[in-house]
Amino acid sequence: KAGVTQTPRYLIKTRGQQVTLSCSPISGHRSVSWYQQTPGQGLQFLFEYFSETQRNKGNFPGRFSGRQFSNSRSEMNVSTLELGDSALYLCASSLGRHQETQYFGPGTRLLVL
Amino acid sequence: AQTVTQSQPEMSVQEAETVTLSCTYDTSESDYYLFWYKQPPSRQMILVIRQEAYKQQNATENRFSVNFQKAAKSFSLKISDSQLGDAAMYFCAYRSEASGGYNKLIFGAGTRLAVHP
Repeated sequence: KAGVTQTPRYLIKTRGQQVTLSCSPISGHRSVSWYQQTPGQGLQFLFEYFSETQRNKGNFPGRFSGRQFSNSRSEMNVSTLELGDSALYLCASSLGRHQETQYFGPGTRLLVL
Repeated sequence: AQTVTQSQPEMSVQEAETVTLSCTYDTSESDYYLFWYKQPPSRQMILVIRQEAYKQQNATENRFSVNFQKAAKSFSLKISDSQLGDAAMYFCAYRSEASGGYNKLIFGAGTRLAVHP
C-alpha cells in the first residue's frame, strides 16, 4: 500500500496570506490527524477528522481549520499567516478505530516571511 | 492534562552497543497507549514500538524493546546492537483511550540519538 502523502512538501508565504495543505491517507484509512512541529513548541496536535467530521481539536486559534472529503483526503487551512506559523506540518492516518496506530506522512514545511 | 517528559535532549552510542532512552509521563487515566516514534533527518515519523497500558508484558520489536513501569509512569526504550541507521530524533508519545481521546498523540520533546562507528 502507498503511504500517507502530503502536498506540497515545501511552501513559502508572506505574513497575512493564507495557505492550504493537503493530506492523502493510506487507502482504507478514515482518520486523519494534523500536527504542527516547531523547534520551540515541539509536536502539537491540531485536530483530527474521521468520516468528514472533526472528532478532536487541539489548542490552536481559529485561524487554523481543516476539513475532510468523502474519500478521506484532508486539507488544513491557515488564514492570516503569522511568522510563528512557520513549521513542519505533519498529518497521520489510521483506520480510526480504537487501538489503531497512526502512520505519518513526510510533512509539509511552511516558511512564513 | 497529560504530559510526557523526555529528560535526555541528546544521547550517543557506539555502533553495536546498547542504549536506553528515558520517558516519563503524567496521567490520572488507567487506559492509554504509549509509543516511541523515530524521526530521521528526512523528517518522516516512523513508529518504532507501542505499548498498551493494560498489558504487563513489555513490548519488543526486533532490536527495540521497552521497559514499561506503569506505577512509576515510566516508559524507556532500549535499542540493542545499535546501527548507524538508528541515528535520529526519538519521540515518546501518549494517547488516551478515554472517550474522545482517539488519535490525539501527546509528544515529549524528543531525544536526539547519535550513533558512532
